[in-house]
Amino acid sequence: KQEVTQIPAALSVPEGENLVLNCSFTDSAIYNLQWFRQDPGKGLTSLLLIQSSQREQTSGRLNASLDKSSGRSTLYIAASQPGDSATYLCAVANQAGTALIFGKGTTLSVSS
Amino acid sequence: SQTIHQWPATLVQPVGSPLSLECTVEGTSNPNLYWYRQAAGRGLQLLFYSVGIGQISSEVPQNLSASRPQDRQFILSSKKLLLSDSGFYLCAWSVMGINEKLFFGSGTQLSVL
Repeated sequence: KQEVTQIPAALSVPEGENLVLNCSFTDSAIYNLQWFRQDPGKGLTSLLLIQSSQREQTSGRLNASLDKSSGRSTLYIAASQPGDSATYLCAVANQAGTALIFGKGTTLSVSS
Repeated sequence: SQTIHQWPATLVQPVGSPLSLECTVEGTSNPNLYWYRQAAGRGLQLLFYSVGIGQISSEVPQNLSASRPQDRQFILSSKKLLLSDSGFYLCAWSVMGINEKLFFGSGTQLSVL
């Protein structure tokens, strides 16, 4: 059974710092991996999607990498800003058309 | 463009009362539809998913049920709510074969008292 773990559970950094959020999954035979952002009391917003054949995806200050063989993904946030404060969730799909399995998230706080 | 509507935003219900949460998607056809629950301190738990009208798969045995009466409508129901049904309920959709990004509604915060 696929399990997704995110470390750390919470992270506090000063504005401007570069940071890395980690995600690991137990079954490396995934179809894709997605990173989401969730603001308090809100729904989830998709940030990046990496197909199993890809190694990384970039969007603005965000870069997500995927190492399928080791069951790991990282989300790199460059030059963090207070507006980046949110919970970041990682999720994997085992097969095409199947539901995502989520980690519990990392809650990021960026102070000005 | 595609949009997803989920309502109500918040709901307070007594134990033993019925529940009906509705979700509709616009701007796409034959989406995969999902109901997730997010309880305090826990990750997102998949409750139900549907690949077509009348086709419902349940991931977790529980006090809830789901129905898909129309292509872009997904309903989460309960006949009698339990305290443990409290949580943040999220509807989501994706389209198979189109990178399969998952798009979420704004969620319903349910408190069962």
